Order: sequence, then C-alpha cells, then structure tokens
Amino acid sequence: EAGVAQSPRYKIIEKRQSVAFWCNPISGHATLYWYQQILGQGPKLLIQFQNNGVVDDSQLPKDRFSAERLKGVDSTLKIQPAKLEDSAVYLCASSQQTNTEAFFGQGTRLTVV
Amino acid sequence: GDSVTQMEGPVTLSEEAFLTINCTYTATGYPSLFWYVQYPGEGLQLLLKATKADDKGSNKGFEATYRKETTSFHLEKGSVQVSDSAVYFCALGETGANSKLTFGKGITLSVRP
Repeated sequence: EAGVAQSPRYKIIEKRQSVAFWCNPISGHATLYWYQQILGQGPKLLIQFQNNGVVDDSQLPKDRFSAERLKGVDSTLKIQPAKLEDSAVYLCASSQQTNTEAFFGQGTRLTVV
Repeated sequence: GDSVTQMEGPVTLSEEAFLTINCTYTATGYPSLFWYVQYPGEGLQLLLKATKADDKGSNKGFEATYRKETTSFHLEKGSVQVSDSAVYFCALGETGANSKLTFGKGITLSVRP
C-alpha cells in the first residue's frame, strides 16, 4: 500500500514569511498527526486529527501555526509568520485509529533564514 | 506529564557487537511502548512495540521487554550489522481515545565493518 505522502521535501524561507506543508495519509486512516522534529530532539506532537476533527492541539503555537484536514483526508499545516526557531523537520503520520501503529511520511525539512 | 529518557549518544560499534540502548519512561496509567528507527534519508518506521507489562517486542533481531517495575524498555540486539546504522527513538503511547506518541531524543547508532 502507498505510504504517507508529504510535500515539499525541503523548503527555505526568510523569517516573517509564510509557508504551508501538505500531507496525504494512508487511505482509510482516520487519525492524522503533525509532529515537529528539531535537530537533535525527538518528534513533538503539534496537532492530532480524528477524521476532520481536532483531538489534541495543546502544543500548537496557535498565534502562528494553523492546520486543517478538510473532508477527513488530506491535511495542510501552515506557519505565518515564520520565526528562526521554526527551523525543523515537520512530520506527518497516520493510523487506522488511535492506539494503533502510526506510519510516518518522510517529512518536510524547513529552514528559516 | 509523560516523558521518555534515552541514553546519551552517539553509539559506535563494530559489526557483530552486542547492542543495548537504554530507555526509561514516566507515565500515568499503562502506556504502550515503542521503538522507532529512522534510516538515513528515510522516514520514521516502527521497529517493535509492547502493549503491557512483561511483554517482549521483537523484530529484525532486536528485542525489548516492557519492565513496569523499573519503568524501562531497553533495546537489545545480539549481533549488529552495518545496515543497522540509524537513529533509534523510544516512544510511549498514551492510553485512551486521545492517544499520542511521546518520543525520546533519539540516539544515533553507527556500525563499522
């Protein structure tokens, strides 16, 4: 089966610009996650969707980050405006339901200069 | 809150050496425990998991036992190969409907011929 697809793979932007990442989860997976992985650290959950509803966004910096999952399939994560400390790899993952194995995409490496 | 602590790295071993990567956790309730691996240029993928105390997860020659009394989930392999060179992440999954993965910092393993 096809895995989790993410695009772009790499992005370089200047601080204060905006950027968007796209994720297509595995077909039929109800749960979708966005993680932020800063260099040298483990992934940190930003937001979790169950179908098209938000389950957990407690660690999402809502003043600059937003995410949506229209129709319970694809998802986009946006940063506006970006800061230097947002430089990281943004990982999307999906699972059939909560409490089951999560499958990860290859991630988008963001560099803010 | 829940947390995962991994031993400091990086780790460099010769081929066929014995591997132990330590992982301890702090959690309320009864989480599931995971080891994820990230090979160079690839996304995170599940290596093994254990869902309750005394369970042993195993895959590709790797093993880890869920030890509730010591709150540990150490990863072991009897004889490592060059192809095992990767970054290894220990993670815990909360129980309940809003489960999410909490990751450790990860440790880089390099195996030399």
